[in-house]
Amino acid sequence: AQTVTQSQPEMSVQEAETVTLSCTYDTSESNYYLFWYKQPPSRQMILVIRQEAYKQQNATENRFSVNFQKAAKSFSLKISDSQLGDTAMYFCAYTSGTYKYIFGTGTRLKVLA
Amino acid sequence: EAQVTQNPRYLITVTGKKLTVTCSQNMNHEYMSWYRQDPGLGLRQIYYSMNVEVTDKGDVPEGYKVSRKEKRNFPLILESPSPNQTSLYFCASSLYTGGSGGANVLTFGAGSRLTVL
Repeated sequence: AQTVTQSQPEMSVQEAETVTLSCTYDTSESNYYLFWYKQPPSRQMILVIRQEAYKQQNATENRFSVNFQKAAKSFSLKISDSQLGDTAMYFCAYTSGTYKYIFGTGTRLKVLA
Repeated sequence: EAQVTQNPRYLITVTGKKLTVTCSQNMNHEYMSWYRQDPGLGLRQIYYSMNVEVTDKGDVPEGYKVSRKEKRNFPLILESPSPNQTSLYFCASSLYTGGSGGANVLTFGAGSRLTVL
């Protein structure tokens, strides 16, 4: 069975610094999709970034980038120039396109002024 | 505005009193699904629907029912709620679940906080 593991329940970072959130997953599928979602205090789930497993290139969205290591089954999120508005819960998620989505337990990130 | 709308946003009920949480999307998405979010457990999939009249169980379906009679609506039914169903519930939809180009990105509703006493 596929699993998604986020081993850092809580993290903090100083404003303007860089932070990396870890995510590992387990699957026997060759093609799949990975996501990072952000959940601010408003509770709304917001897509941060998406990666397709067959693409070698790491996805990037402005200050957010991923380090996708397919062989190691690792999908970490790097946030550069952290801002107060980045304070949120971050969830890593996986789907192989077979209708099931699997989420990690989340990492609560606090950006300090 | 493209969105997923779920109601109610907050609900307090008592054990055994049937309730329905509605979910509607205006994006003509084929795929819809329900999740519950609990502290330390992340989001867990309850049920999903691939299209009208096609539904299947997720990882935690016990105590829940769903139906998909129209493409836009996917209500979650708790026939006899119990305290262990106290949770934050999310409905989400996507165009479909495979393929490239972002078609499988989930759009979430705002969440429904349910308390069962």
